[in-house]
Amino acid sequence: DVKVTQSSRYLVKRTGEKVFLECVQDMDHENMFWYRQDPGLGLRLIYFSYDVKMKEKGDIPEGYSVSREKKERFSLILESASTNQTSMYLCASRTAGGTDTQYFGPGTRLTVL
Amino acid sequence: GQSLEQPSEVTAVEGAIVQINCTYQTSGFYGLSWYQQHDGGAPTFLSYNALDGLEETGRFSSFLSRSDSYGYLLLQELQMKDSASYFCAVRDTGGFKTIFGAGTRLFVKA
Repeated sequence: DVKVTQSSRYLVKRTGEKVFLECVQDMDHENMFWYRQDPGLGLRLIYFSYDVKMKEKGDIPEGYSVSREKKERFSLILESASTNQTSMYLCASRTAGGTDTQYFGPGTRLTVL
Repeated sequence: GQSLEQPSEVTAVEGAIVQINCTYQTSGFYGLSWYQQHDGGAPTFLSYNALDGLEETGRFSSFLSRSDSYGYLLLQELQMKDSASYFCAVRDTGGFKTIFGAGTRLFVKA
């Protein structure tokens, strides 16, 4: 059974803190993604990685960075958390070829106070 | 800009058929996907169309017309458990990025 796990389901941080969100997949997928989901806005792509150590900005990368040192792990970093980064964060992975089947983790609901 | 348009809400009766439309305007096109998301859950993949026509998977079907930049998801024999949000998504020409619509909230009534 395919699996994408995220380090926390719920997280509360203070403004200005550095925040790390971790995502691990066990499917040997090349591509990994970080999205944020806000009501009425759907899923917006923050960053994606098409292979180890490779990363590309998505549509809303400001205030975020990522790291992919190993194929199975993709980390999202909020350098200095702000209240407007309060959101649901979803990680996904996908094999490089074929259809666009993305497998999502359960999500991390981050609240920045 | 790049955008996907889909209705925000649809309501239907149990046992009925419902169609959720999606029109897209993107710089490139590789394929159209549909995802289902229940409240509190993660999105799960439903279907993918790269070519024009209809793809059927059980009670769900998905259609694509690339010339019209249009697709739809058809749900038949609606069940209460189909109440969820449905997202259309376009994979761009480069093949890496996927752009999601804002989602359609489906309410199934008894």
